Amino acid sequence: GEDVEQSLFLSVREGDSSVINCTYTDSSSTYLYWYKQEPGAGLQLLTYIFSNMDMKQDQRLTVLLNKKDKHLSLRIADTQTGDSAIYFCAETLYSSASKIIFGSGTRLSIRP
Amino acid sequence: NAGVTQTPKFQVLKTGQSMTLQCAQDMNHEYMSWYRQDPGMGLRLIHYSVGAGITDQGEVPNGYNVSRSTTEDFPLRLLSAAPSQTSVYFCASKSHLEETQYFGPGTRLLVL
Repeated sequence: GEDVEQSLFLSVREGDSSVINCTYTDSSSTYLYWYKQEPGAGLQLLTYIFSNMDMKQDQRLTVLLNKKDKHLSLRIADTQTGDSAIYFCAETLYSSASKIIFGSGTRLSIRP
Repeated sequence: NAGVTQTPKFQVLKTGQSMTLQCAQDMNHEYMSWYRQDPGMGLRLIHYSVGAGITDQGEVPNGYNVSRSTTEDFPLRLLSAAPSQTSVYFCASKSHLEETQYFGPGTRLLVL
């Protein structure tokens, strides 16, 4: 079945790295995504990774994919107050490229 | 480009009333989707469309109807609103040529 799971909260000190984790169940995932939602706003695509890749880096963001364990993580280096948001993990499936299945979101809060 | 637009921003309904949430995009995207976002549950797919004249059900379609008579518009209809439909509704669109899904700003719906 299709299921994407994340922990609900993460608190990090400003300047530290944040690591947000996600697990998914469907091995036919093609693309895996990280979206960011700021308060009162829609979702913004941060980055995505194709399922045959292990890692993708984009400035302060590093995505790691462990396909064997069906585990995806997003690392934010040098976390800033502007990174406070809800982060959603999501996947599309080979069988239905137009459907994106979202996790429940991880609320990232930054401590001074 | 206006991107993805949604109207209204806010709506209060009484149980049993009907209404249509509007969604439009000016990017000539083939894929359009409707999601609802509830606390602790992430985004759940209600209905989606892969092109004009084609719609399909998502995870939580009951109580909602959609149509796609044009590429640009994808309205979501609530035929008889229920308190369980109190939520924030997001419309999204995507081109089949790229992985970025663009989200509208959301419609906050309260059903009393």
